Amino acid sequence: DIQMTQSPSSLSASVGGRVTITCQASQDINNYLNWYQLKPGKAPKLLIYDASNLETGVPSRFSGSGSGTEFSFTISSLQPEDIATYYCQQYDNLLLTFGGGTKVEIK
Amino acid sequence: QLQLQESGPGLVKPSETLSLTCTVSGGSISSTSYYWGWIRQPPGKGLEWIGTIYYSGSTYYNPSLKSRVTISVDTSKNQFSLKLSSVTAADTAVYYCARHKGPVEMATLGYWGQGTLVTVSS
Repeated sequence: DIQMTQSPSSLSASVGGRVTITCQASQDINNYLNWYQLKPGKAPKLLIYDASNLETGVPSRFSGSGSGTEFSFTISSLQPEDIATYYCQQYDNLLLTFGGGTKVEIK
Repeated sequence: QLQLQESGPGLVKPSETLSLTCTVSGGSISSTSYYWGWIRQPPGKGLEWIGTIYYSGSTYYNPSLKSRVTISVDTSKNQFSLKLSSVTAADTAVYYCARHKGPVEMATLGYWGQGTLVTVSS
């Protein structure tokens, strides 16, 4: 099975600051890499699909990049409403696997 | 607007079967070729995919849970369900239902319910 290593596990940044999260797959996942936002008590939200495609309605300050085994997720200008935990997720061979999550806080 | 809502007991005894239902509104489970899934998050831990069912009834399970999981669909009620047998405290988690993003593709979870906490305790 493919393992997903997500880092860091937590970070803090200033409002307006840039945030970057990385996700490494144990083998090539053909860009089947998605990013989700989780807030307590709310439905999780898909932000980025297929490594770099912005889901409809998601602000353009969110972006994703990468290919093969190395992927990254960026918030270009952190807003207070972006406080959440973010997860990467891969798909391979009829199996979905998530990274360990990154908790984003305001400095 | 598609909406999903999980329902079921919030407390289950060890060794018993956890049963949850996801009610879909704003769209029909049977009218389009989508996959429907279950995901869970134990307290303080990350997300774990449990399994997925195609609208036609084909199922796909996480190998780590496969021996205990059954997912089914009831198109007449526009619902799909999760049964997890022989539960232990390790199965305590927030359980989410979701619809995969696109028709005939299983790679992405596009719409999620808000989740429901299930505690396993005597």
